[in-house]
Amino acid sequence: EVQLVESGGGLVQPGGSLRLSCAASGFTFSDYDLHWVRQAAGKGLEWVSAIDTAGDPYYADSVKGRFTISRENAKNSFYLQLNSLRAGDTAVYFCAREQGSGSGFDVWGQGTMVTVSS
Amino acid sequence: SYELTQPPSVSVSPGQTASISCSGDKLEDKYICWYQQKPGQSPVVVIYQDDKRPSGIPERFSGSNSGKTATLTISGTQALDEADYYCQAWDRSTVVFGGGTKVTVL
Repeated sequence: EVQLVESGGGLVQPGGSLRLSCAASGFTFSDYDLHWVRQAAGKGLEWVSAIDTAGDPYYADSVKGRFTISRENAKNSFYLQLNSLRAGDTAVYFCAREQGSGSGFDVWGQGTMVTVSS
Repeated sequence: SYELTQPPSVSVSPGQTASISCSGDKLEDKYICWYQQKPGQSPVVVIYQDDKRPSGIPERFSGSNSGKTATLTISGTQALDEADYYCQAWDRSTVVFGGGTKVTVL
């Protein structure tokens, strides 16, 4: 079964850090671009970051310099390191895959909740 | 930064056609994807590359993209199509989502 499973969410204080993981199974991991998308409660989808098959990262302006995306093809996993967290980063974080620009995010994880609060 | 604009809500009667617009500058130069999201669930892609339908997505979902507007059309809308719908595009190495449209089937 093709699947993405997130982990690593939780409650963290403002200014703190968190590392999200996304474990993939059921497909050739190295063939896909990988994304993180977040959604605050009652709000729309917001793209956060992507990493392509060559390992090149891309970031939304709102997280550039604070978040770092990486992938580990040997472990069929990719990650999002969240630093200098703010209350506005509170959201459900989804991981997703895409096989080439414009082909759509065809598989999504179930999401992991990140809450930034003192 | 690039923006995609959607109407906040669309209402449709069962069996009728729902059209959801997505507007942005030079949209015809970009591929548009559409996602359906039901409460408490992860999004599902219903249209990719403007007008292609993934396997498993009903034929009543169709897409188009011309000028500055892309459109998702749901023909013969069913109660189970009630959901939030988001358009999405790539712009200069970043991904942009529209604000979302809540489709209500009355």
